[in-house]
Amino acid sequence: NAGVMQNPRHLVRRRGQEARLRCSPMKGHSHVYWYRQLPEEGLKFMVYLQKENIIDESGMPKERFSAEFPKEGPSILRIQQVVRGDSAAYFCASSPPVGTGTTDTQYFGPGTRLTVL
Amino acid sequence: GESVGLHLPTLSVQEGDNSIINCAYSNSASDYFIWYKQESGKGPQFIIDIRSNMDKRQGQRVTVLLNKTVKHLSLQIAATQPGDSAVYFCAENWGNAGNMLTFGGGTRLMVKP
Repeated sequence: NAGVMQNPRHLVRRRGQEARLRCSPMKGHSHVYWYRQLPEEGLKFMVYLQKENIIDESGMPKERFSAEFPKEGPSILRIQQVVRGDSAAYFCASSPPVGTGTTDTQYFGPGTRLTVL
Repeated sequence: GESVGLHLPTLSVQEGDNSIINCAYSNSASDYFIWYKQESGKGPQFIIDIRSNMDKRQGQRVTVLLNKTVKHLSLQIAATQPGDSAVYFCAENWGNAGNMLTFGGGTRLMVKP
């Protein structure tokens, strides 16, 4: 059973470009979470999605950032018009659906390291 | 809770000794806690978890202790090995509908051979 997959692992963008980060949850997991991590800091929650629904986006910046988890395919975190301050590691986590008794446990992917030049 | 800083606190231990990593969490309503291990360039790796109705849980070489009175969590690693060198984060789940985790600032564990 493959773990959480993220791609690309490294992404370089120039200011003003768009960044698209992809996350495929573990098999059987229907909940996806995105976190951001700056160097030497803990992870900060951004958004929580289930298939075709955004459940909690309280950690997402109001502008330029969006996330989706379509019925088919990976979850996408999209950053428009990137700025240098967006440079960070972005991690995706997934958890099982409600009712399995282990909803709370989140398993993380390897992350995408975004560098904005 | 959140503690943000440019320099992680570091715990340096001798190989074979026991390690204790501490964490203060922020929300007395939190009902679920997880310890993660993060190696350089990798994502957080689940180590052990504990729910608020327990005060101790043991895994293989690891033990988590929860003191709800003072909102304190600790991770004990027995017979620390070089492969244990990493940054360790505690995370709390506030139990709300968002199910999000709030991470502590992390502790860097360095194991000396």
